[in-house]
Amino acid sequence: KAGVTQTPRYLIKTRGQQVTLSCSPISGHRSVSWYQQTPGQGLQFLFEYFSETQRNKGNFPGRFSGRQFSNSRSEMNVSTLELGDSALYLCASSMSSYEQYFGPGTRLTVT
Amino acid sequence: KNEVEQSPQNLTAQEGEFITINCSYSVGISALHWLQQHPGGGIVSLFMLSSGKKKHGRLIATINIQEKHSSLHITASHPRDSAVYICAVRLRETSGSRLTFGEGTQLTVNP
Repeated sequence: KAGVTQTPRYLIKTRGQQVTLSCSPISGHRSVSWYQQTPGQGLQFLFEYFSETQRNKGNFPGRFSGRQFSNSRSEMNVSTLELGDSALYLCASSMSSYEQYFGPGTRLTVT
Repeated sequence: KNEVEQSPQNLTAQEGEFITINCSYSVGISALHWLQQHPGGGIVSLFMLSSGKKKHGRLIATINIQEKHSSLHITASHPRDSAVYICAVRLRETSGSRLTFGEGTQLTVNP
C-alpha cells in the first residue's frame, strides 16, 4: 500500500501571499489530520477531517483553513502569510481514531 | 505547564547502551503514541498504547495509567537509533485523532 503523500515537499512564499498544501492519505483511511512543527512551538495540531467534515480544530487563527474531498484527499490553505508561518507542515492519516501514519511533510519558508 | 512532559530533552549514549526516555502527562487520555522523527522531518509511529507494554524488536514501550507515565526503552542501542523521539497523547475528552505532543527527546548514539 502506498504511504501518505504530501505535495509540494518544499515551498518558498512571500509575506502576504497565500499557499495551498495537499495531502493524499493511505487508501481506505478516512481521517486526515494536519500539524505544524516549528523549532519554538514544537508540534501543534491544526485540524482533522473525517469523511469531508472537520472533526477537530486546533488553536490557530482563521487564516488557516482546510478541506477534504470525497476521495479523502485533503488540502490546507494559509492566507496572508506571515514570517511566523514558516514551518514543517505534516499530515497524518488514520482509520477512524486508530494509529496515525504521517506523510513526509511540506517545508514552507516565508520570506 | 505542558500537558505532556518528556525527559530528558537530550540524551547521548554509546552504542550498545540501554536507553530510557520518559513521558508524563497530566490529563485523561485514551491512547499514548511514541513517534520517531529523523533529520529531514519524516515521522514514524513506533507504538500506540492504552495499557501495559508493547515490544517491537529492540524497542519496548510501557504505560502506567494510574501514574500517568510512559517509558520508551531501546535495548542494545545503535547509531541508526539517533533521532528525535516524541511522546503524544490522544485526550480522552476529544473524539477523533487529535494528538497533543511532548517537546521531544533528541537521542544521539555514538559508535
